Amino acid sequence: GENVEQHPSTLSVQEGDSAVIKCTYSDSASNYFPWYKQELGKGPQLIIDIRSNVGEKKDQRIAVTLNKTAKHFSLHITETQPEDSAVYFCAARAGGFKTIFGAGTRLFVKA
Amino acid sequence: DAGVIQSPRHEVTEMGQEVTLRCKPISGHDYLFWYRQTMMRGLELLIYFNNNVPIDDSGMPEDRFSAKMPNASFSTLKIQPSEPRDSAVYFCASSSFGEKETQYFGPGTRLLVL
Repeated sequence: GENVEQHPSTLSVQEGDSAVIKCTYSDSASNYFPWYKQELGKGPQLIIDIRSNVGEKKDQRIAVTLNKTAKHFSLHITETQPEDSAVYFCAARAGGFKTIFGAGTRLFVKA
Repeated sequence: DAGVIQSPRHEVTEMGQEVTLRCKPISGHDYLFWYRQTMMRGLELLIYFNNNVPIDDSGMPEDRFSAKMPNASFSTLKIQPSEPRDSAVYFCASSSFGEKETQYFGPGTRLLVL
């Protein structure tokens, strides 16, 4: 089955700097890669997603890149702000609706 | 829409007791998911339904866990008997295939089994 690895587990950046979170997946059939943000005491919330027929997608300060050959994808947050502090999860889905999540990255943005 | 609604938000029970978690998905969504989140194992899919029918329950840990969806607006996850290792946050999420397959998560139920 699918396995998703996520790094780093913790990331601390200064406000205004960029943050990068990387994930790898094992199932070459995976074709959908969402990213979720989870704030304390809340459920995960989708922030951006990318499909296997696209190499890069951007939404304001957030961008995601996908390398199908290497089976890895990354989340890039530019101009980080304190409100970006949260736990971020990458995920992969091969078919149907079974989504496999990475272990999460706790992002701290220091003001 | 109020989003996915879960109840209770917190549950403390003693080992051996039955626990029932409840979920109301977003109206019009035809997929419903139950997840469990722990520090050790992260976010795990337990089971998901499509049009009230269980599609994949391979993530259900053991026979003590059961889930039902009697109608499109209600689902339950039951643990009987509960054990301390069941302590976790349980999330319900719903989705509509027509809406970019986004899963909308509820606020979760924090379960503590003593």
